[in-house]
Amino acid sequence: EPEVTQTPSHQVTQMGQEVILRCVPISNHLYFYWYRQILGQKVEFLVSFYNNEISEKSEIFDDQFSVERPDGSNFTLKIRSTKLEDSAMYFCASSVGQSNQPQHFGDGTRLSIL
Amino acid sequence: EDQVTQSPEALRLQEGESSSLNCSYTVSGLRGLFWYRQDPGKGPEFLFTLYSAGEEKEKERLKATLTKKESFLHITAPKPEDSATYLCAVPPSGGYNKLIFGAGTRLAVHP
Repeated sequence: EPEVTQTPSHQVTQMGQEVILRCVPISNHLYFYWYRQILGQKVEFLVSFYNNEISEKSEIFDDQFSVERPDGSNFTLKIRSTKLEDSAMYFCASSVGQSNQPQHFGDGTRLSIL
Repeated sequence: EDQVTQSPEALRLQEGESSSLNCSYTVSGLRGLFWYRQDPGKGPEFLFTLYSAGEEKEKERLKATLTKKESFLHITAPKPEDSATYLCAVPPSGGYNKLIFGAGTRLAVHP
């Protein structure tokens, strides 16, 4: 069964450094998402992406965050200058269609900021 | 304000002891309610989508139902491998391309 894959599984970074999280969505999916989950808290939406542009973003997704689909298979989340509070699990998801279609999630990248 | 509330927060069952998890939502114009299973250190795994009141979906020991205000995930004769956190999520009012998640129910099934 096709799945969303994310790399790395764990990233440790010094505060202030840039980090790039990578995702390969399911191949026939058109909508891509990033969510995060701080330990013990709810899964929170960050951004959605369709047709090579951001379609929706949350208040969390400020100027320090960016997303890119550099080629036909990868989808990346960049955090330019990491803060301690960016420590969380970051999940990539993809869906065939818009919000009434199920989103399929990867197993996440655990980001630890020191 | 759009909200998703799940109860109970945690549930401990004996193997074979059936029970139900609740997800109540306040969004207008529901365009789907999604149930996910999340194992520790893993991403949410899609289980079901429900679109309209009265709809039911089943998968092995799980059955999801939907009313106009809430959804139930019924677990029949659970096994230890059903232990996980069960999440429910809905798109917000207004057709935005994202999901709002509940806090989840942590289910532990003991032999």
